Amino acid sequence: DIVMTQGALPNPVPSGESVSITCRSSKSLLYSDGKTYLNWYLQRPGQSPQLLIYWMSTRASGVSDRFSGSGSGTDFTLKISGVEAEDVGVYYCQQGLEFPFTFGSGTKLEIK
Amino acid sequence: QVQMKETGPGLVQTTQTLSVTCTVSGFSLTSYGVHWVRQAPGKGLEWMGIIWGDGSTNYNSALKSRLSISRDTSKSQVFLTMNSLQTDDTAVYYCAERDFDFWGPGTMVTVSS
Repeated sequence: DIVMTQGALPNPVPSGESVSITCRSSKSLLYSDGKTYLNWYLQRPGQSPQLLIYWMSTRASGVSDRFSGSGSGTDFTLKISGVEAEDVGVYYCQQGLEFPFTFGSGTKLEIK
Repeated sequence: QVQMKETGPGLVQTTQTLSVTCTVSGFSLTSYGVHWVRQAPGKGLEWMGIIWGDGSTNYNSALKSRLSISRDTSKSQVFLTMNSLQTDDTAVYYCAERDFDFWGPGTMVTVSS
């Protein structure tokens, strides 16, 4: 199985600051079609996960442009430009290249 | 608009079989697949499996021997069945649309002896 490893944040983060969340995969997620099959989600407290980014860097419908995704085949970053109170929760990366799909362990964001 | 909702038994005894239903609206099960994902209390997300629009399935190998996903397209329902339950199967069970754009609110299942 592909292992997804996420970094931590130096919580709490001051409101308005920009943060980057890292994720690394044990295998390249770049497929022959040119797409990198890496998703990012935010799970707010008590809620279902919400898709933020797919194909490593494409924002999902309705997602604020404060969220951006980047990376290579195995190293990925989710950047949040100017964190706000509504950004609080746990962020997960997930690979969609091969079964079983696997998630990182999550990165918690708290805001000061 | 797309809506998904899980319904489950709430409490199940160990060694028994779990049945959870996902009822969808706003899209056709013959066009889009549905995933099952679970989350143990205070833990991360675990992908369980998917039933595709053509009715084929893929399962997490860690669960494959106990897990079955099926559907009734006429009722827009997808079913998760898992046998030989243990206490570590206690979790919130989510269904999600093929592209993970839409998720249900989840249903909490507690496995108790």
